[in-house]
Amino acid sequence: DAEITQSPRHKITETGRQVTLACHQTWNHNNMFWYRQDLGHGLRLIHYSYGVQDTNKGEVSDGYSVSRSNTEDLPLTLESAASSQTSVYFCASSDGQGEVNEQFFGPGTRLTVL
Amino acid sequence: GQNIDQPTEMTATEGAIVQINCTYQTSGFNGLFWYQQHAGEAPTFLSYNVLDGLEEKGRFSSFLSRSKGYSYLLLKELQMKDSASYLCAVMDSNYQLIWGAGTKLIIKP
Repeated sequence: DAEITQSPRHKITETGRQVTLACHQTWNHNNMFWYRQDLGHGLRLIHYSYGVQDTNKGEVSDGYSVSRSNTEDLPLTLESAASSQTSVYFCASSDGQGEVNEQFFGPGTRLTVL
Repeated sequence: GQNIDQPTEMTATEGAIVQINCTYQTSGFNGLFWYQQHAGEAPTFLSYNVLDGLEEKGRFSSFLSRSKGYSYLLLKELQMKDSASYLCAVMDSNYQLIWGAGTKLIIKP
């Protein structure tokens, strides 16, 4: 069965360290997204990609970067982790481009920055 | 600015009916989604509305009024497993999803 996976599921790191969160989908979807979810806030879009070599900034992109070298993967990198980046991170994917399609979510990564 | 409003928390009784409201103001509109999210888990798709009216899917129904910027999710015959957060999201003119903060639904026996 097709799926979307994230690793690690839990991560504790220190302020200033570089951290990469992995996202892998086997749906063969063009679109991939990274969100963060914090108490009292809706999901907030960090970065998104509509295909290989395409990346775009979302609402809260400062301090984060992504790259899309293949269809299946969209790793999220925190260049220099800050305590404000402690959050739950969700990766999602959807089919099509410029179309309305439901997004499928990975299980999430809980990141703690000390 | 873009804004999605929904109640923070609601409580209902097992077997009853509950309506979760969502109001929105967004840059353009390409449909409204409802997702369910159990604690510690990923959001999962429940429904999508783009035209005014009611969409029924088993025990769950979703209503949309575009002129009022309003939607609701109706859950019937509540079960304990329906205890979860319900997320309202609007797809804007750039095909980006704008998310509400979610409504935590507590089901009591």
